[in-house]
Amino acid sequence: KNQVEQSPQSLIILEGKNCTLQCNYTVSPFSNLRWYKQDTGRGPVSLTIMTFSENTKSNGRYTATLDADTKQSSLHITASQLSDSASYICVVSAGRYGGATNKLIFGTGTLLAVQP
Amino acid sequence: SQTIHQWPATLVQPVGSPLSLECTVEGTSNPNLYWYRQAAGRGLQLLFYSVGIGQISSEVPQNLSASRPQDRQFILSSKKLLLSDSGFYLCAWSVPLGQGGRNTIYFGEGSWLTVV
Repeated sequence: KNQVEQSPQSLIILEGKNCTLQCNYTVSPFSNLRWYKQDTGRGPVSLTIMTFSENTKSNGRYTATLDADTKQSSLHITASQLSDSASYICVVSAGRYGGATNKLIFGTGTLLAVQP
Repeated sequence: SQTIHQWPATLVQPVGSPLSLECTVEGTSNPNLYWYRQAAGRGLQLLFYSVGIGQISSEVPQNLSASRPQDRQFILSSKKLLLSDSGFYLCAWSVPLGQGGRNTIYFGEGSWLTVV
């Protein structure tokens, strides 16, 4: 069964600190893995997308890693800011790369709260 | 630049009433279009996707339907709403790989539906 599990479910950190969010998946065939940031009541915004051959990808203070052997990904946030408070969603695409019918399997997200 | 508009942003509808959520995309041609639902505390669930005008695929059996009357217009409808239809509905689009797309999905701002 295709599944995406994220941990922790929620996290509270102080402004300026770093944090790492985890994503484990059992998806076959694997196409790519994405991280999205979703502010409360808003649509998700893409942070990174990685294919099988990519181990790491950065977007500003966000760095995502992918270990296709262990089927794990992490999202590292450096020097957190108050505006980082949001839900972070890991999404794995199953199927032929680029197809409109690729099935996206969504994690339930990690809710991050950055406090001053 | 490409933009996606989704409306209404919030609505409260009685059980048994009809529903129409509309989504339009600007700045691109022949996009893949999607409707997702996000129930409270749960991940995003794909409801419908479309690769062209009049071409609609449904992912899950449900009380809802979708239509694509124009290239960049996607409509989510119901003839009679159920309580279980309450949730956060997200329209999304992507550029098909054949048109140079990178398989990124871009989400709209979402519509909060409460069925009472």
